[in-house]
Amino acid sequence: GQQVMQIPQYQHVQEGEDFTTYCNSSTTLSNIQWYKQRPGGHPVFLIQLVKSGEVKKQKRLTFQFGEAKKNSSLHITATQTTDVGTYFCAGPTGGGNKLTFGTGTQLKVEL
Amino acid sequence: GAGVSQSPRYKVAKRGQDVALRCDPISGHVSLFWYQQALGQGPEFLTYFQNEAQLDKSGLPSDRFFAERPEGSVSTLKIQRTQQEDSAVYLCASSKSRGGDSYNEQFFGPGTRLTVL
Repeated sequence: GQQVMQIPQYQHVQEGEDFTTYCNSSTTLSNIQWYKQRPGGHPVFLIQLVKSGEVKKQKRLTFQFGEAKKNSSLHITATQTTDVGTYFCAGPTGGGNKLTFGTGTQLKVEL
Repeated sequence: GAGVSQSPRYKVAKRGQDVALRCDPISGHVSLFWYQQALGQGPEFLTYFQNEAQLDKSGLPSDRFFAERPEGSVSTLKIQRTQQEDSAVYLCASSKSRGGDSYNEQFFGPGTRLTVL
């Protein structure tokens, strides 16, 4: 079945440093979504990318969708303590009726 | 107004007991999903409803798991004869879309943490 892997699994950074998580799918995706889950919380939608090579920005967050639509990345510039959480990418499978979530990257930000 | 709500938030069951988990999706959302999230893992798909129709139940781990959405709004996930390996957070999500390439964001509820002793 489809697999969606993310690296790294964990990342500790000092506040103000940059952070990047990479997402790789074993199959081509029609679109990719990113979610953030705070400790003890539930996944919250961040963004959806649809087009090959698409780049979207949300303040300090930059999202990219690869040309082959099999990989994606999330880059955070100048991390803050509010960025703490686990970031998941997710792609639709089974005809688009369900999301396959990546393995997640847990981000910790230290002062 | 609400977002997706789930109840109970926490459930402790003895092995062999039946449990029922409830999900109230956002009003008007066509699609409803159930996921299972083990500690330190990403959500794993269980089942999907479009209105009252259960279109995909490929993720249900065994025939002890059963889900319904009889009127196309509230949904219940039932687990019969619970086992320790069923311990996890059960997340419900709803979406405006009907799936396919017009996939839209999913709105997740707070989850039900199930502990089976």
